[in-house]
Amino acid sequence: DGGITQSPKYLFRKEGQNVTLSCEQNLNHDAMYWYRQDPGQGLRLIYYSQIVNDFQKGDIAEGYSVSREKKESFPLTVTSAQKNPTAFYLCASSMAGEFTNSPLHFGNGTRLTVT
Amino acid sequence: AQTVTQSQPEMSVQEAETVTLSCTYDTSENNYYLFWYKQPPSRQMILVIRQEAYKQQNATENRFSVNFQKAAKSFSLKISDSQLGDTAMYFCAFMTYNTDKLIFGTGTRLQVFP
Repeated sequence: DGGITQSPKYLFRKEGQNVTLSCEQNLNHDAMYWYRQDPGQGLRLIYYSQIVNDFQKGDIAEGYSVSREKKESFPLTVTSAQKNPTAFYLCASSMAGEFTNSPLHFGNGTRLTVT
Repeated sequence: AQTVTQSQPEMSVQEAETVTLSCTYDTSENNYYLFWYKQPPSRQMILVIRQEAYKQQNATENRFSVNFQKAAKSFSLKISDSQLGDTAMYFCAFMTYNTDKLIFGTGTRLQVFP
């Protein structure tokens, strides 16, 4: 079955450590996204990529980094520079391009806790 | 900047009744899409319904329908014959034609009780 896989489901790290969240899709989608979800704030866009080897900052990119070396993969690194990294992280993908109304397909998310 | 506002943090409805969730948005664009997503306790995001801005007819999907008022920049979701499985967070979202970037509201938590 086609879909988006995020791993792990729960992740725990000590403050000051970088951590990488995995996102893999086998939907042959061009575009991939990372969102952060906090209580009362909805989903906020961290980074997105419309094509391999290219990505753009979203609304809250500070303290995060991404790479898009393969179409299927869009890992997110939460660096020690991110002030409040504890959150629920959602990865998504879609068919990219102008005038597309392709909805985003979401993974099941990763809950990151930093202590 | 485009923004999406959901002014109802929480709503509740009795099973089999109808409930309407509000959403307004702000944009200077003329061509865009609007979506409602559902996030149950499992936290999986599920597309409920979508609307193209150029279409005047309101979208419907079974028990779910929207009231799209383009001039007022309003996009409310009506859930008819509410079911216990409708209990979830509901997010309104907006995307312009040329960005592939989905902007979400803060969500409305809907509780359906027996």
